[in-house]
Amino acid sequence: SQTIHQWPATLVQPVGSPLSLECTVEGTSNPNLYWYRQAAGRGLQLLFYSVGIGQISSEVPQNLSASRPQDRQFILSSKKLLLSDSGFYLCAWSVLWDRGETQYFGPGTRLLVL
Amino acid sequence: ILNVEQSPQSLHVQEGDSTNFTCSFPSSNFYALHWYRWETAKSPEALFVMTLNGDEKKKGRISATLNTKEGYSYLYIKGSQPEDSATYLCAFIVYNAGNMLTFGGGTRLMVKP
Repeated sequence: SQTIHQWPATLVQPVGSPLSLECTVEGTSNPNLYWYRQAAGRGLQLLFYSVGIGQISSEVPQNLSASRPQDRQFILSSKKLLLSDSGFYLCAWSVLWDRGETQYFGPGTRLLVL
Repeated sequence: ILNVEQSPQSLHVQEGDSTNFTCSFPSSNFYALHWYRWETAKSPEALFVMTLNGDEKKKGRISATLNTKEGYSYLYIKGSQPEDSATYLCAFIVYNAGNMLTFGGGTRLMVKP
C-alpha cells in the first residue's frame, strides 16, 4: 500500500532563517506531487506541483521554492522565511494528472515563523 | 483567480439531524469538482469526485449533487453523528487543468451528541 510521509511535524523558525520541508511517498512510482499551504483563517492553497523528476510548476509567486530530486521525494524550501510563511503545509500525491484522480494527503507540517 | 465559495463557514447540529452545505464555483470552464473531508489532527480524505452535470454520488450517509450550469454542488449528511464532525472541503478544477485543485474555504461541521 502507498504511504506519504512529511517531516518535521512542527517547526518554529525565526524570520529570515532558511526552510526545508520534506515529503516522501512510498509504494508507488512516478506520482504527481503537490505542496499546499493553509494560512490562518484561509483555505488550502496550491503552491507547487510536479508531474516528474525535476519538473516543478509554481502557482503562487512567493519566496518559496520546490524541488523534486528523486521520483518520490518533494522538498519545499525557502532561503529567508517571512512572517507570512506561517501556516500548515500539506504534501499530496496522485497517480495520474487527471481531473478524476483523488489526491492523497500527508500528515502535514505546522510552521510558525516568529 | 478562481473563486470557490463554501457556505456556511461553520455549522453546529445535534446528533441525528440531517444537514447540507454548499460549494459555489465558476460555471464556465468546469472540469471537475472534488469533495474532501478533513478531521482534526488527520489528513484530508477524498469523499467524491464529480465530473458531469447532474452527478449524484453517495457514500453511506453522505451524498453530493452537482449542477455545473449554475455552478454549485451540495453535500448532504443524513442523520449526523459525532464522528461526522470535520471540515468539509470542495475543490474545483478548471477545464484542461489536469489535477490542479482550487479549494474553497471549507465548512466546519460540529455534531453534538
